[in-house]
Amino acid sequence: DVKVTQSSRYLVKRTGEKVFLECVQDMDHENMFWYRQDPGLGLRLIYFSYDVKMKEKGDIPEGYSVSREKKERFSLILESASTNQTSMYLCASSLSRGPFAEKLFFGSGTQLSVL
Amino acid sequence: GQQVMQIPQYQHVQEGEDFTTYCNSSTTLSNIQWYKQRPGGHPVFLIQLVKSGEVKKQKRLTFQFGEAKKNSSLHITATQTTDVGTYFCAGMISYGKLTFGQGTILTVHP
Repeated sequence: DVKVTQSSRYLVKRTGEKVFLECVQDMDHENMFWYRQDPGLGLRLIYFSYDVKMKEKGDIPEGYSVSREKKERFSLILESASTNQTSMYLCASSLSRGPFAEKLFFGSGTQLSVL
Repeated sequence: GQQVMQIPQYQHVQEGEDFTTYCNSSTTLSNIQWYKQRPGGHPVFLIQLVKSGEVKKQKRLTFQFGEAKKNSSLHITATQTTDVGTYFCAGMISYGKLTFGQGTILTVHP
């Protein structure tokens, strides 16, 4: 089974701090994604990547950046954390890019609280 | 704004009752996927529908994709307490990118 590992289950940060969320997948998947989950809003796509050193903006990229230096690792960066970035962050990966979206494998999530 | 709408947001049923959640898009979808998230867990893939009018079944779960590929539904027959969780649809609007609905939170009372 694919394993998608997120570095922290819970994080508490202060406003203005730089925050790194790390995600590693172990099945050589090409695609990796960062979503945030908020009650009543479902999962919203922040950024995604189809290849090393490649990134594309999702639906809500403002206030975030990403890094993919290695195929298995996809990092989400909050340059200056704000309270409205308090949320559950979910990393996901999928096998490859094609005409139909491949199924996503999710990590366990990181609950980030910005105080 | 949200391009894939899902209703209802909440559904409370008695064990044994049926349950349906609906997903609607303003644009044609290439395909649609359904996920289940147990309380405290992460979303887990259930199924993908690709063809217009497609119907797929998994035991008590029936998934449909509309003829116009703009809507989908998930129906659970005779719910059980193990069905509790949040059900999400996710449609591909632009190439390779899945857009999720808001999810339906299902509570099953024994």
